[in-house]
Amino acid sequence: DSGVTQTPKHLITATGQRVTLRCSPRSGDLSVYWYQQSLDQGLQFLIQYYNGEERAKGNILERFSAQQFPDLHSELNLSSLELGDSALYFCASSVVSGHEQYFGPGTRLTVT
Amino acid sequence: DQQVKQNSPSLSVQEGRISILNCDYTNSMFDYFLWYKKYPAEGPTFLISISSIKDKNEDGRFTVFLNKSAKHLSLHIVPSQPGDSAVYFCAAIGEEGAQKLVFGQGTRLTINP
Repeated sequence: DSGVTQTPKHLITATGQRVTLRCSPRSGDLSVYWYQQSLDQGLQFLIQYYNGEERAKGNILERFSAQQFPDLHSELNLSSLELGDSALYFCASSVVSGHEQYFGPGTRLTVT
Repeated sequence: DQQVKQNSPSLSVQEGRISILNCDYTNSMFDYFLWYKKYPAEGPTFLISISSIKDKNEDGRFTVFLNKSAKHLSLHIVPSQPGDSAVYFCAAIGEEGAQKLVFGQGTRLTINP
């Protein structure tokens, strides 16, 4: 158990819909990262927040957005969902930005 | 553009022997490297890391070697155990100051009894 929690574990929704994925980092970790794992792309970095502020951005679609709240939990919002958005979405956290990241169990999103 | 490459999709090793997983990278700006282990339906689990100023780091049965001139790193597991069967990902940090992990495609390790 990494100490990072993610909800929900599974999510099935239709194209065009909007969903919110939630992540709680390990106690004391200020950085939260979001990654997407799809079959053909492997694990891809989406976005990082550090103590409430956006710190780094990867290949995140404009339909996707994220935020980190004062209690340090983070939410990833995915809108206008397409079939290709079906993937595993992982959240990770770290104490010092740029070093070891600890991953949650992931949310499996299926868009039908 | 695959900046971190794991060229072996799979590896099969006898229990008790050494497992060697390899990883190559192309970006010389990377300055920190990590290995993660992943079981199905779980998130990646951090195993071991190495800074670019070192060439070896050891933690129990796991040793990571870094050859900067060849842009190559490897993970050695000795002795291999059945519980080591999983997908192993190599990852790198440090491109242009970003904190994102850049992952390889993974190697599926199977330990045979």
